[in-house]
Amino acid sequence: KAGVTQTPRYLIKTRGQQVTLSCSPISGHRSVSWYQQTPGQGLQFLFEYFSETQRNKGNFPGRFSGRQFSNSRSEMNVSTLELGDSALYLCASSLGLQDPKNIQYFGAGTRLSVL
Amino acid sequence: DAKTTQPPSMDCAEGRAANLPCNHSTISGNEYVYWYRQIHSQGPQYIIHGLKNNETNEMASLIITEDRKSSTLILPHATLRDTAVYYCIVRANTGYSTLTFGKGTMLLVSP
Repeated sequence: KAGVTQTPRYLIKTRGQQVTLSCSPISGHRSVSWYQQTPGQGLQFLFEYFSETQRNKGNFPGRFSGRQFSNSRSEMNVSTLELGDSALYLCASSLGLQDPKNIQYFGAGTRLSVL
Repeated sequence: DAKTTQPPSMDCAEGRAANLPCNHSTISGNEYVYWYRQIHSQGPQYIIHGLKNNETNEMASLIITEDRKSSTLILPHATLRDTAVYYCIVRANTGYSTLTFGKGTMLLVSP
């Protein structure tokens, strides 16, 4: 079974631009979560989607948004990029409560550099 | 979710057992203890989890104290590939999959 796939792996943008990151979950997983990882703040939760609905959101500004499609694939968008948005963006998928362990499976991440 | 406290770093010799402690003194009755690890430049990987009983799988063992205020992850025979940041996370299985990560423990396994 293929794991969680994130594209692209690396991205370089300049301040003020916007960016879209993509995540394909493990087949059959309907829950997709996004996290931001920086050296200063560590791993921080951005949002979680289940069956195309956002059901949990972290403490990030409105410039960060996401969506989930009917095939469970998810995208996140960051508008008006700032230098501080440089980070590793991780996507994780899970079965949700269909899995009693409720394990999240992570992709390798997208490394975003804002210049 | 309850907060966890872990030592920032630990060392272990290859082939020896690595015992990683975690304090979660404010854990609630319905909260599980999860352990994930993150090898450099990769996404976090699930290791094990438990509620109140000790658990063992092919990767590790989890020992939870009777009062559930602390736990220990045991890697019985550490290898160089076990060098990673280990995260102890407390979470209730209420439907959300969200994980709240702390700073974790950087485990360095040396030859």
